Amino acid sequence: LAKTTQPISMDSYEGQEVNITCSHNNIATNDYITWYQQFPSQGPRFIIQGYKTKVTNEVASLFIPADRKSSTLSLPRVSLSDTAVYYCLVGTLYNQGGKLIFGQGTELSVKP
Amino acid sequence: GAVVSQHPSRVICKSGTSVKIECRSLDFQATTMFWYRQFPKQSLMLMATSNEGSKATYEQGVEKDKFLINHASLTLSTLTVTSAHPEDSSFYICSAKAGGQGNEQFFGPGTRLTVL
Repeated sequence: LAKTTQPISMDSYEGQEVNITCSHNNIATNDYITWYQQFPSQGPRFIIQGYKTKVTNEVASLFIPADRKSSTLSLPRVSLSDTAVYYCLVGTLYNQGGKLIFGQGTELSVKP
Repeated sequence: GAVVSQHPSRVICKSGTSVKIECRSLDFQATTMFWYRQFPKQSLMLMATSNEGSKATYEQGVEKDKFLINHASLTLSTLTVTSAHPEDSSFYICSAKAGGQGNEQFFGPGTRLTVL
């Protein structure tokens, strides 16, 4: 499974756009990129998933360059409630039963 | 999205006792369930993969005789921590994955285990 590298922590202010970049140099052809959000003492929550180019949903956008060796999660106009740990995961859809390996994650702190 | 529940949400037990944690997929059938452990300020660590009707596959370094996993139905998997010790105190999280395309996993709310 491809290893991921993210910044350990980031600070932001309410209303700003936050971009968290994840490196996955060894991503395989069949791998998808998935981002999860976790609040303290809660299970992770799915945010977004993509394979290439750009994916957007109601909460975030995911930008993936052509070489797929990195990806950027973009959170528009963050609020205090977006303070959480964000995990970037890379895994295959079918091999290894969809096993996901969590890296260290990025602890985002949103300040008023 | 799909809902996964865990019971209990919090448990305190004495050293040497066994604790069972249940993970249920409430509105879908989960062909595969996963169990994770998370220590404070650390990431989730995958413990095992559980497929309905078959033996669980444990990650390297996880004792299968200590962490018993049963996946008897498509909506229920249980993790039993046998002869728990203080070092087993942790946050245990399960996730469930439906069959078919896509590897989106739906996570439970977690169970906080404290062993005295």
